[in-house]
Amino acid sequence: AQSVTQLGSHVSVSEGALVLLRCNYSSSVPPYLFWYVQYPNQGLQLLLKYTSAATLVKGINGFEAEFKKSETSFHLTKPSAHMSDAAEYFCAVSDEDDYKLSFGAGTTVTVRA
Amino acid sequence: DGGITQSPKYLFRKEGQNVTLSCEQNLNHDAMYWYRQDPGQGLRLIYYSQIVNDFQKGDIAEGYSVSREKKESFPLTVTSAQKNPTAFYLCASKTSISYNEQFFGPGTRLTVL
Repeated sequence: AQSVTQLGSHVSVSEGALVLLRCNYSSSVPPYLFWYVQYPNQGLQLLLKYTSAATLVKGINGFEAEFKKSETSFHLTKPSAHMSDAAEYFCAVSDEDDYKLSFGAGTTVTVRA
Repeated sequence: DGGITQSPKYLFRKEGQNVTLSCEQNLNHDAMYWYRQDPGQGLRLIYYSQIVNDFQKGDIAEGYSVSREKKESFPLTVTSAQKNPTAFYLCASKTSISYNEQFFGPGTRLTVL
């Protein structure tokens, strides 16, 4: 089974600063990778996904992520944080049968004015 | 608008009672999923169904049951055998195309009194 590690359960950034959320996965085959965002008491919304096309993936709300096979990483970045980016972020990797996802424990982002 | 609906948003249950959470989708997706979310643990898969009249256990199926009689509906029953049912429950759905993402409903927060 796949597994996902998100380094840092909580990240605090200043408004306008870089947001960097780390995600490492374990996979014996090239995976599909996803980043989701969750606002309090809501469901998950897809930010972006990697499906073995371009290694640099652009998503919604100015986020992007880079797939690095050699490092088994899929870190999420945004150049300039906005107050509306305060939320919980989850990295997920598809299972070999591509029907199931394994989720990381999540990273909560707070944005300081 | 296409999407996933979950009801109710909040649910309170007395110990020893069974309770059923509703999940309906009008996205024409084949696969549906139930997850449990607890603080700091990410999402854990309870059950999933790839096709009508078929479903499989996920990682934490004990104390839960499901049915899939219609493509649009995937209700989850939390039984009295579930020792710690207080949690946030999320339903998701997906097409049969492997690299497509899962779409999530808004969630149901279950509290056992």
